Amino acid sequence: AQSVAQPEDQVNVAEGNPLTVKCTYSVSGNPYLFWYVQYPNRGLQFLLKYITGDNLVKGSYGFEAEFNKSQTSFHLKKPSALVSDSALYFCAVSSPYSTLTFGKGTMLLVSP
Amino acid sequence: KAGVTQTPRYLIKTRGQQVTLSCSPISGHRSVSWYQQTPGQGLQFLFEYFSETQRNKGNFPGRFSGRQFSNSRSEMNVSTLELGDSALYLCASSLAEGNYGYTFGSGTRLTVV
Repeated sequence: AQSVAQPEDQVNVAEGNPLTVKCTYSVSGNPYLFWYVQYPNRGLQFLLKYITGDNLVKGSYGFEAEFNKSQTSFHLKKPSALVSDSALYFCAVSSPYSTLTFGKGTMLLVSP
Repeated sequence: KAGVTQTPRYLIKTRGQQVTLSCSPISGHRSVSWYQQTPGQGLQFLFEYFSETQRNKGNFPGRFSGRQFSNSRSEMNVSTLELGDSALYLCASSLAEGNYGYTFGSGTRLTVV
C-alpha cells in the first residue's frame, strides 16, 4: 500500500524568508508525486508534479520541489515566502494506474 | 477552458436522507475521482470512474455509490445519511486513466443534521 507522511501539522515562517514543507512517501514502483494547495472553503489547486526526469521540479507561484529517491522525499520549497502563501498544503503520491493517496496536510502560516 | 464544476456548493440534509452530488469534468477529461475531506480523516479516496466504469473503490460502506455518464459527468450518491458523513466532497478529473495529475473542483460542502 502506498502512503504519504507530512510530519509537520504547521509550519511558521516570516514573510521574505525561505520556506520548506516536508513530505516523505512509500510506494511500490516508480512514484508519481504531487503538491496541492487548499485555501479556506475551496478545492485543491495543483502546484507541481514529478513524474520522471529532472529531480528539481518548478511549479506555480514560485514553488519548487526536489525528488529524492534515496530518502523517498519530495519536499516543497520557496525561496521567499509571501503572506498570501498561507494555506493548507497537501503532498500526494500515486503510481501507474493507482489512485492518489494524500498526506494529512501541513498548514503554512506566513507572518508579515 | 472551464474547470471542474461541482454542484451544489453547499447542502444541508437530515440524518437518514439521501443525497446526490454532481461533478462535470474538464472538457475532454474522461477520468473522474471522488474524495471525502474531513478534519479528522483528511482526504480519503472514494472511487474513480473511467469511461463509465468504476476502476477503483476506496474503503467506504455501500451507502456510498457513484456512476459516470457517457459525457463523463459523474454523480455520487450517499444513502441513509449519518452525522459522520458531513464533509467536503471533492471531485477531480484527469485526461486519461493513470495518473498524470488531477484537476479538482471546489467541492460540495455537505452538512448532515
